[in-house]
Amino acid sequence: KAGVTQTPRYLIKTRGQQVTLSCSPISGHRSVSWYQQTPGQGLQFLFEYFSETQRNKGNFPGRFSGRQFSNSRSEMNVSTLELGDSALYLCASSPRDQSTDTQYFGPGTRLTVL
Amino acid sequence: QKEVEQNSGPLSVPEGAIASLNCTYSDRGSQSFFWYRQYSGKSPELIMSIYSNGDKEDGRFTAQLNKASQYVSLLIRDSKLSDSATYLCVVNIVGGSYIPTFGRGTSLIVHP
Repeated sequence: KAGVTQTPRYLIKTRGQQVTLSCSPISGHRSVSWYQQTPGQGLQFLFEYFSETQRNKGNFPGRFSGRQFSNSRSEMNVSTLELGDSALYLCASSPRDQSTDTQYFGPGTRLTVL
Repeated sequence: QKEVEQNSGPLSVPEGAIASLNCTYSDRGSQSFFWYRQYSGKSPELIMSIYSNGDKEDGRFTAQLNKASQYVSLLIRDSKLSDSATYLCVVNIVGGSYIPTFGRGTSLIVHP
């Protein structure tokens, strides 16, 4: 099976702009989670989508939002970008069924806010 | 605040030795536990998952879970240079919702 893919891999934006990141999960996986990774805070959970519904949400402001489509592909949007949003954004997919909740990570999108 | 604590290291071990990585967590309701490895500039990759008290072995890796002590560890036997990476402990905190909570990671350096 193909792994989790994320596009774009690199982005440079300026403060105040908005950005949309995309994630395609492993085929058959219905859960997609998003994470922000920074040197200072480590890996932090943003939110999880399962069957097009946001199921869980981390402690991030409302500027961070997401959605999931019927084919399980997911997008994450960050509005009104701030310098502190510069980070590696990771997407992870999981079958989230009775047998396992293991997550498989994509390569990430490196966002730089100038 | 639900927390997962790891020693940031670096933990330095010689090639062929046993590396022991430790993790403690605060939420007694946690049910699933994972170890991920992350190379610099790469995304995390799963090494082990463990759900029940005791040991789970997979090749050179052994995960140990003690829910009473809220402690999970990873042993790496016969350490190789390629094991040099950051090891992330992940605990699925269950408290009304499912929040995967990551430790800050332990940097492991395997030297010749």
